[in-house]
Amino acid sequence: AQTVTQSQPEMSVQEAETVTLSCTYDTSESDYYLFWYKQPPSRQMILVIRQEAYKQQNATENRFSVNFQKAAKSFSLKISDSQLGDAAMYFCASKKEGGSEKLVFGKGTKLTVNP
Amino acid sequence: EAEVAQSPRYKITEKSQAVAFWCDPISGHATLYWYRQILGQGPELLVQFQDESVVDDSQLPKDRFSAERLKGVDSTLKIQPAELGDSAMYLCASGTGTLNTDTQYFGPGTRLTVL
Repeated sequence: AQTVTQSQPEMSVQEAETVTLSCTYDTSESDYYLFWYKQPPSRQMILVIRQEAYKQQNATENRFSVNFQKAAKSFSLKISDSQLGDAAMYFCASKKEGGSEKLVFGKGTKLTVNP
Repeated sequence: EAEVAQSPRYKITEKSQAVAFWCDPISGHATLYWYRQILGQGPELLVQFQDESVVDDSQLPKDRFSAERLKGVDSTLKIQPAELGDSAMYLCASGTGTLNTDTQYFGPGTRLTVL
């Protein structure tokens, strides 16, 4: 079974600063995929970034990057140059190999961006 | 840009009543997921369809919940009778189901309140 743990229920950051959201996971799968999703207030969940576990290189998407530590089963999200629009719930999720496998989510971290 | 549609956005009902939620996935997406998100937690899969077939309903409370995707396109999730503990956000997501890194696209959700 897969489990995902987000130990920070809430985080805050000043606009233009950098913040890191933590995530740890557990899986018995040899091949799996990790994701960060963003859920703004009253809006749908959207994919922020994804990481294939077999890749050693950390994924980056503009201001968003991950620190993937496979041995430690850690998958943190770094947001650089934080913007007011980054305020949202952030969910870490994992998925087994396979196009139609379900996502297993953590409980989420609420990010507040202060002007 | 194509989006996953859900209706209604909000539903208030009394316990023991029947409720139904509708989801229209992105055109061409074979895989459809219904997730339940209890306040303060991450989404959890209720049921997953591949075309019109159920591939995972292990977490669906089958004594009161039912789901169908008759023509492999849109889907309906029903609860009868609703209980207080069913108050949650019900999220629909769709994906092509063909790639390991397949992105799941989420709808805006239906927020259910059971009184």
